[in-house]
Parts: sequence; C-alpha cells; structure tokens
Amino acid sequence: KAGVTQTPRYLIKTRGQQVTLSCSPISGHRSVSWYQQTPGQGLQFLFEYFSETQRNKGNFPGRFSGRQFSNSRSEMNVSTLELGDSALYLCASLGQGHTEAFFGQGTRLTVV
Amino acid sequence: DAKTTQPNSMESNEEEPVHLPCNHSTISGTDYIHWYRQLPSQGPEYVIHGLTSNVNNRMASLAIAEDRKSSTLILHRATLRDAAVYYCILRDDRYSTLTFGKGTMLLVSP
Repeated sequence: KAGVTQTPRYLIKTRGQQVTLSCSPISGHRSVSWYQQTPGQGLQFLFEYFSETQRNKGNFPGRFSGRQFSNSRSEMNVSTLELGDSALYLCASLGQGHTEAFFGQGTRLTVV
Repeated sequence: DAKTTQPNSMESNEEEPVHLPCNHSTISGTDYIHWYRQLPSQGPEYVIHGLTSNVNNRMASLAIAEDRKSSTLILHRATLRDAAVYYCILRDDRYSTLTFGKGTMLLVSP
C-alpha cells in the first residue's frame, strides 16, 4: 500500500511569487490535513479537507489556501510569498474510523 | 485545545528502557492521548494512543495515570533508530486535527 506522497520534495521561490504544493493521500483516505513546520513555531495546523470540503482551519493568513479533488488528492497554495513562509510543509491523511494519521515526507519550501 | 507539557530533551543508552513523561492536567473526557515521533528529515510517525487503560503495541507501551492527567510512553529497549522528537498530543477523536507541542528530543547513545 503506497504511503502519502508529497510533491515536490524541495522548492525554492522568490518573495512575492506564489507556490502550489501537492499531496496524494493513502488510497481510500478521504481526510487530508496540512501542517507547517518551522524551527521557531514547530508544527502548526493549517487546514483539513474531507470529501472536497474544508472541515477545519488553523490560524494562518488568507494567503494560505487549499483544495481537495474528488480523488482525495489535495493541493495547498501560498500567494505573495514572504521570507517567513520558508518551512517544511507536511500533509497527513486519515482513513475513516482510523485514529492513526499518516504523514508524508513533506515539501521543503525556501523563499529567497 | 488541551495542552501537554513534556521535557525538552532526554538521554538514554542503547538497549535500556526509556520512559517519556507527559503532563496533561486539562484533559477532557473525550480526549485521547496520542504519541507521534519525528525522525530527522521525516514526517511524524504514529506511535501509540490510548484513552484510559494502558496500551501496548509492537513499538511501545503507553501508561496512563488513573486520573488521566499524565501519561508515560515506554520504549522497552531503546535503539539508535529511536532517536527522534516525541510528541504527546491530546486529540478529540471527533476531529482529525493534531495540535503539536514542542515535544521531547530523545538522544540515544551507543
């Protein structure tokens, strides 16, 4: 059974640009959550999607957005990038009735 | 969200047991206690979870205090591959969100 796949693994962008990250959950999982990890703030919840609907949202500015497709794959978008957006972005998938979240290896975003 | 308190770091020798404590005095009745760990350059990995009773699985054991205000993750024989940041998380199983604290960095020496 394939795990959670995040693409790309590494990304370098310039301030002011926008970026789109992708997450393919484990087959059959309908819940996808996104997290941002930085040395200063640790792991912080961004948002969760379930069956193409945003079910929960963390405390991040509107520049951070996401969506989920009918095949449960999810994308997150960050517009007008700032240096502080440099982080490891992790996605996690969760199956219905399961309590264990499966994380991908993350996308390392560097904003210069 | 309910909060957890963990030591910043702990050290252990290889093949010795490790007890990682977690305090969660504001835990509510619907909160499950979850433990995840994050190895260097990897995403977090589920370790174990419980509600009231002690739990065992192939990776670890979870001992939960009778009043549920604290818990201990037990690695029975630490290996070098267990060196990671361990997160104790309270999660209401009605929701999928995990609220991570700073965790405990476990250092394992040969």
